Amino acid sequence: RKEVEQDPGPFNVPEGATVAFNCTYSNSASQSFFWYRQDCRKEPKLLMSVYSSGNEDGRFTAQLNRASQYISLLIRDSKLSDSATYLCVVNMNTGFQKLVFGTGTRLLVSP
Amino acid sequence: DVKVTQSSRYLVKRTGEKVFLECVQDMDHENMFWYRQDPGLGLRLIYFSYDVKMKEKGDIPEGYSVSREKKERFSLILESASTNQTSMYLCASSLVGNTIYFGEGSWLTVV
Repeated sequence: RKEVEQDPGPFNVPEGATVAFNCTYSNSASQSFFWYRQDCRKEPKLLMSVYSSGNEDGRFTAQLNRASQYISLLIRDSKLSDSATYLCVVNMNTGFQKLVFGTGTRLLVSP
Repeated sequence: DVKVTQSSRYLVKRTGEKVFLECVQDMDHENMFWYRQDPGLGLRLIYFSYDVKMKEKGDIPEGYSVSREKKERFSLILESASTNQTSMYLCASSLVGNTIYFGEGSWLTVV
């Protein structure tokens, strides 16, 4: 089983739609979680951290479910500019900052 | 803003050549990382460093070495480049336990 797994997509949605991605992780001791966004041929950039109680940043909502070992990202009112690959990142907490990246979920928002 | 600079953006090297990839960060971060990113495999950690002259192997260190003589600079070295090292290489830095920031990436083609 991969340490971090994501559906690669692509998710094709129209502008204004709501879309959600899930990401599962294997290490129950993992302590911190992030979503990064990566545009084509660009570097990943932090979208948001994921907190235990869930958190929201504008149109983006992140949730953590420790019991089932997954995190989710919800995007409301999708914009064309949201088209990108979304990377799930888990800090495995193995004594140093070992971040494990999912392979990413590709989102395509169409007019 | 945090700035992580990878000086070589696009390189084409011949098999067997020695390749240096340089990375500089301007935020006095303790941690620095080298990843490679390949389609379908996501980001994989090659080496990381948590202090000057300190280095630790990541998940795929074979064929690579690193150097960190100054806090702001972390170099990745391919002693004898091979075609299977054709990839996008990403340098990153962070404070301990905090968000990591990526450079723009170095696209290496080995022919």
